[in-house]
Amino acid sequence: DIQMTQSPSSLSASVGDRVTITCRASQSISNYLNWYQLRPGKAPKLLIYAASSLHNEVPSRFSGSGSGTDFTLTINSLQAEDFATYCCQQSHTAPFTFGQGTTLEI
Amino acid sequence: QVQLQESGPGLVKPSETLSLTCTVSGGSISPNYWSWIRRPPGKGLEWIGYIRYSGTTNYNPSLKSRATMSVDTSKNQFSLRLTSVTAADTAVYYCARLNYGSGTYYNWIDPWGQGTLVTVSS
Repeated sequence: DIQMTQSPSSLSASVGDRVTITCRASQSISNYLNWYQLRPGKAPKLLIYAASSLHNEVPSRFSGSGSGTDFTLTINSLQAEDFATYCCQQSHTAPFTFGQGTTLEI
Repeated sequence: QVQLQESGPGLVKPSETLSLTCTVSGGSISPNYWSWIRRPPGKGLEWIGYIRYSGTTNYNPSLKSRATMSVDTSKNQFSLRLTSVTAADTAVYYCARLNYGSGTYYNWIDPWGQGTLVTVSS
């Protein structure tokens, strides 16, 4: 299986900050990388697919980049509703695997 | 817009079978792919597998053939059965649609259900 490693596992920030979360794959996955936002009691939300394509209705302060094994999710000008857990997922080879998650805290 | 809702028992005894159903509303179960994903307490997400409306399946080998998915197009539902459960199967279980980009292998999971907590305990 392809292992996905995220860093950091948790991150403290303030409203208005810019944050970057990193995801590394154990082998090259081209740009078959998705990012999701998880909030307690809510349905997980797709943010970015194919490494850098912004999903419908996702605010433009979210952006993704990377290819091969190294990827980043950047959130510009953090809003209160952005404090959540973020997970990357490789969609290159089944079983599709996820990173362990990065919790963004105020 | 498509919405998904998981249903099933919240408590299952060890060695028994976990059974969950996902009801799809606002859209047809055909011709899509549908997935189950779970998140054990304090851990990351784990992809369980997918099923196509036609019945084609792909399971995570880590489940050692304990998982079976099925589709009921007449009810716009799909289901998961997980046999011989242990405490390690305690998790929030999500159903979701697996989307493929037109003419490509790019795929992504959206939308998701809210999830249902299943606890394995005697």
